[in-house]
Amino acid sequence: GDSVTQMEGPVTLSEEAFLTINCTYTATGYPSLFWYVQYPGEGLQLLLKATKADDKGSNKGFEATYRKETTSFHLEKGSVQVSDSAVYFCALAGGYNKLIFGAGTRLAVHP
Amino acid sequence: DAGVIQSPRHEVTEMGQEVTLRCKPISGHDYLFWYRQTMMRGLELLIYFNNNVPIDDSGMPEDRFSAKMPNASFSTLKIQPSEPRDSAVYFCASSTRGWTGTIYGYTFGSGTRLTVV
Repeated sequence: GDSVTQMEGPVTLSEEAFLTINCTYTATGYPSLFWYVQYPGEGLQLLLKATKADDKGSNKGFEATYRKETTSFHLEKGSVQVSDSAVYFCALAGGYNKLIFGAGTRLAVHP
Repeated sequence: DAGVIQSPRHEVTEMGQEVTLRCKPISGHDYLFWYRQTMMRGLELLIYFNNNVPIDDSGMPEDRFSAKMPNASFSTLKIQPSEPRDSAVYFCASSTRGWTGTIYGYTFGSGTRLTVV
């Protein structure tokens, strides 16, 4: 069945460091792909998305490119801030409009 | 739009009591999802509705859990009787498809933190 695999956390970085959180997926067809972010005590918020191969989603300095050949959708940011500390979830849209989430990766950014 | 609204934000109850969680989806969204989040199990999809009809309840852990969607603007998740292992954050989310059939992504509520003592 469809699945999403994310790199395990926590990821700990210093402010202004480069961020990569790996995400790979297994799916039939060409699903839409998403990154969600969850700040402490809050629900998940859509960060960015891509609906077809080679699409690049971007938002708030974060980017991810839909790579069909490697079935990946890695999240990147050139310079992280303390305020980026959160849990990041990769997800794909499976059958029947269901979103399938990865396990989440906790990011901690220190000044 | 106020987004997906869940109530209550926090609920503390004694084991054996009935608990009802409530959700108001975004107007116009025709899909509604209930998730449970715990440290051990992460995000689990419990049940989802399309046009108020339950489509997949295979994630509902036990018969103690039930969910209803009497109309397009309201859903409930009920646990009866509650147990300490039900302690978790319960999220409601709503969604719709674009004209191409592509899912737009979910909008989540802020969640209900349930503690069963």
